[in-house]
Order: sequence, then structure tokens, then C-alpha cells
Amino acid sequence: GDSVTQMEGPVTLSEEAFLTINCTYTATGYPSLFWYVQYPGEGLQLLLKATKADDKGSNKGFEATYRKETTSFHLEKGSVQVSDSAVYFCALRRQGAQKLVFGQGTRLTINP
Amino acid sequence: DAGVTQSPTHLIKTRGQQVTLRCSPISGHKSVSWYQQVLGQGPQFIFQYYEKEERGRGNFPDRFSARQFPNYSSELNVNALLLGDSALYLCASSAITTGEETQYFGPGTRLLVL
Repeated sequence: GDSVTQMEGPVTLSEEAFLTINCTYTATGYPSLFWYVQYPGEGLQLLLKATKADDKGSNKGFEATYRKETTSFHLEKGSVQVSDSAVYFCALRRQGAQKLVFGQGTRLTINP
Repeated sequence: DAGVTQSPTHLIKTRGQQVTLRCSPISGHKSVSWYQQVLGQGPQFIFQYYEKEERGRGNFPDRFSARQFPNYSSELNVNALLLGDSALYLCASSAITTGEETQYFGPGTRLLVL
């Protein structure tokens, strides 16, 4: 079945550091790929998405590129801020389906 | 515009009891999905409803049921609660079911089963 594997956390960085959170997936066909963020005590917010190979999703300084050849969708940000501290989830959705399949999440803490 | 709303925010139940969780989608959204998020894990898909019909079901026992009302709000029911049902229950709404629309999540209902 479909699955998403994320980099193990927690990840702790200093402010202004470069961030990479790895995400790989297993799915048939060409799923859409997503990054969601969950701040403490809140629900999920869509951070960015990509719907086809080589698409780059971006938002709030975060970027991720849909790599079909490596089945990956790694999240990157050039300079993190304390306010980026949250749990990040990579997810996929098969074409024509509603169901989102999530990874286990990566907790990110940014220290001032 | 108001986002997805869920009630209650927190709930404490004992084993064997029944619980009903409620979700109101974003205005104009006709599709509602439910997810269970156990502490430290990613959300797991439970149900999807569109136009009051069940369109998808995850790998959950029959103790879990749901329905959607004419105003597109939804309820998730869990019977015979087990300790393992303790989780954050998330509701997500979307406009149409072409598979390309974005799902917007509510803040969740945190259920604790003692």
C-alpha cells in the first residue's frame, strides 16, 4: 500500500540555520505530495504542495521539489526562525482520491 | 471566513462508553474527512463523506461510524471505547472531490479514554 517515510526527529537547530527534512514515499501512479505543519495545540495547516513530477511547492520561505526518480519530496528552508518550531508532516494523496497518507511527523525546535 | 470548526475541544470518557464528535466544514465545502492522530504519530484516515454519502473508509473497526447532514456538517461516533482510542480526532473539509482540491483541517477534538 501507499506509505510515507520521514526523517526521524526531533530536529533542533539554531536560528538562521539551513533546514532539510527528508521525505520519501511509496505509491503507484503519480500522487500529489504535501507538507503540513502542526503548531502546538493546533490542527494541521497546509504548508505547500506539488501535484506532478519536477513541480516545486513553496510558501513562507519553505520549498520542496517533487522528485519522481527518487520518490522524494524533501522540505528545505534557507534560514529558520524560532516561529518555525512545530511538527512537520509529509503526506501523499493518490490521483482521484481524497484520502491523505501521512508520514509519522518530524518535530522541529529552533533555538534563538 | 470561518475555518473548519470542531466540538468539543477536549473530552474525557471511560472504557466502554460511546462518544460523538462534531465537525462543521468551511462554508461551501461539501466533502468532510475524519482522521485519527495518536500521540507521536501521523494522522490516519478514518472516513470521507461527500454529499451525505460515504466515499471512503480507512482500516478502522465497525465501532467507528460517521454521518453527514444536509448542511454538510458531520458527526463521528465511536462505540465501546478502548484505551487505544485516545487520540486527537481531526476533521478536514474540501470543496469538491476531483482529487486536486486542498483539504483544510480543523483544530481537532482531543479524546482521552480512561
